[in-house]
Amino acid sequence: GQQVMQIPQYQHVQEGEDFTTYCNSSTTLSNIQWYKQRPGGHPVFLIQLVKSGEVKKQKRLTFQFGEAKKNSSLHITATQTTDVGTYFCAGPFVSADKLIFGTGTRLQVFP
Amino acid sequence: DTEVTQTPKHLVMGMTNKKSLKCEQHMGHRAMYWYKQKAKKPPELMFVYSYEKLSINESVPSRFSPECPNSSLLNLHLHALQPEDSALYLCASSQVTVGKLFFGSGTQLSVL
Repeated sequence: GQQVMQIPQYQHVQEGEDFTTYCNSSTTLSNIQWYKQRPGGHPVFLIQLVKSGEVKKQKRLTFQFGEAKKNSSLHITATQTTDVGTYFCAGPFVSADKLIFGTGTRLQVFP
Repeated sequence: DTEVTQTPKHLVMGMTNKKSLKCEQHMGHRAMYWYKQKAKKPPELMFVYSYEKLSINESVPSRFSPECPNSSLLNLHLHALQPEDSALYLCASSQVTVGKLFFGSGTQLSVL
């Protein structure tokens, strides 16, 4: 079936190191959204990308949407302990009216 | 007000109990959702309401019964649940379907 996979599933980094999570869809997406869920918390919206090849930055976070609108990435520069959590991509397949969440990447940052 | 309020935060129920989860938003959003999330898994869509009408039911068992009394409120009625239904139940809303989701803090449900 249609699915959205993320790699890696889990990553440990030392504080100050960079981190990247990749999101791959089996089908073209209308847009891609990214959410962060802290341990014990709920998902919080980070950003939405709509255009093919779009790149957006939020301070240390850089988001990209692939040219074919089937993949995306989130890159964090110089991680901090506050970046700990699970990062989910989510997107509606073209002509679909529901968001499908990716499998998530859990980030652990050691001081 | 950009909050989605869910009650209760925690719920323990037996398999013969009937309980309800409640969700409220005052952002004027016309789409509201119920998601189920198991530990270390992504949120899994259960139901979508659009303009107070049920638009998507992801083949959820009938022991879960959603209700949207008005544009600000969403309920999930629970009856005869199974232990495997234990999970975090998240309510969300958005201005349009497939738009940016605002999640509530969830109800952690345990079925004994």
